[in-house]
Amino acid sequence: EAGVAQSPRYKIIEKRQSVAFWCNPISGHATLYWYQQILGQGPKLLIQFQNNGVVDDSQLPKDRFSAERLKGVDSTLKIQPAKLEDSAVYLCASTTSPERADTQYFGPGTRLTVL
Amino acid sequence: AQSVTQLGSHVSVSEGALVLLRCNYSSSVPPYLFWYVQYPNQGLQLLLKYTSAATLVKGINGFEAEFKKSETSFHLTKPSAHMSDAAEYFCAVSDHGTGRRALTFGSGTRLQVQP
Repeated sequence: EAGVAQSPRYKIIEKRQSVAFWCNPISGHATLYWYQQILGQGPKLLIQFQNNGVVDDSQLPKDRFSAERLKGVDSTLKIQPAKLEDSAVYLCASTTSPERADTQYFGPGTRLTVL
Repeated sequence: AQSVTQLGSHVSVSEGALVLLRCNYSSSVPPYLFWYVQYPNQGLQLLLKYTSAATLVKGINGFEAEFKKSETSFHLTKPSAHMSDAAEYFCAVSDHGTGRRALTFGSGTRLQVQP
């Protein structure tokens, strides 16, 4: 089966510019996650969706980050305006259901560089 | 809140030697634990997971991990390292809040395999 797709793979922007990332989860996966992975650190959750509803966005910097999951399938993560500290890899993951034991399948990530 | 500590940000072994990557967890409820591997410019791939069944868990590529409740540990081992094992390894614990199923990751251990 096809894996989690993300685009673009790489993005370089100036600070204060806007950027958007796209994720297409594995078909049939109801739960979708966005993680931020700063260089040298483990991924950190930004937001969790169940179908098209938000389950947890407690760690999303809402003054500049936004995310949506239209129709419970694809998702978009946006940063506006970007700061230098937003330089990171943004990973999208999906699971069939929000059970604790379920395996999360990760996409290849989008590497963002903010200059 | 759950947390994971990975001891050693870098581990170097010779090809054919034992691989031991350390992970200790903190959780207020019985944990679900995961080991993921990340190759350069790729997403995370599941190696194995512990979900309260057998304490010795076997994964892909010859890796295994043993859950030790008394030591709050979930160390990853492989009897004989291969050059292709060089990558970053992340230990993670599954969250257990209502509806929340995100993973809390350790900071990662970079494994180098010397010829």
